[in-house]
Amino acid sequence: SSELTQDPAVSVALGQTVRITCQGDSLRSYYPSWYQQKPGQAPVLVFYGKNYRPSGIPDRFSGSTSGSTASLTITGAQAEDEADYYCNSRDSFTNHHVVFGGGTKLTVL
Amino acid sequence: QVTLKESGPALVKPTQTLTLTCTFSGFSLSSDGMRVSWIRQPPGKALEWLARIDWDDDHFYSTSLRTRLTISKDTSRNQVVLTMTDMGPLDTATYYCARTGAAGGAYYFDFWGQGTLVTVSS
Repeated sequence: SSELTQDPAVSVALGQTVRITCQGDSLRSYYPSWYQQKPGQAPVLVFYGKNYRPSGIPDRFSGSTSGSTASLTITGAQAEDEADYYCNSRDSFTNHHVVFGGGTKLTVL
Repeated sequence: QVTLKESGPALVKPTQTLTLTCTFSGFSLSSDGMRVSWIRQPPGKALEWLARIDWDDDHFYSTSLRTRLTISKDTSRNQVVLTMTDMGPLDTATYYCARTGAAGGAYYFDFWGQGTLVTVSS
């Protein structure tokens, strides 16, 4: 099956821009989805597909993909953005299956 | 609005079979394009996709767990049931059900249940 790799931890100064990346061959075929998870809570979808942001998600969250690397960008990070972030995509080997990245812990300084 | 809620035992013994129920509202699994997945997360670890069932009764399982999983739906009761056989300590995790969508070839999970923690211990 496919694999998705994320940096374990990233930090950003309050109000600055941060990019969280996700790498994997499946991203050459399928767009990713991105989730924010705060301690003790279920994940929340923040961005998916080529350019979709769910209702209620601030427009400071955006996504992009280039080759085998996908990025979630937070422009003007806020304290409440501190959380774990996970990417997922369809599995390019099994098509209907889904793979998750290992997650990135974002710290807002 | 769309809601999902998982229910099942909090504690199971090794080798037992786990049965989890996802009860949802705000959508129908008999409608075209509707799907529900199960995802789990061991304490302090990453999310892991387990299984999915679609409106047309197609179902898919994680390659590594396929021999242990069964997913089914009861459309009239708005429920999806997941069974996992031969439970072991490594199966200790929070289990989530999530509505699953597809757009531009991507699968995404737009609504999640609160999760239910299942501990495997004798």
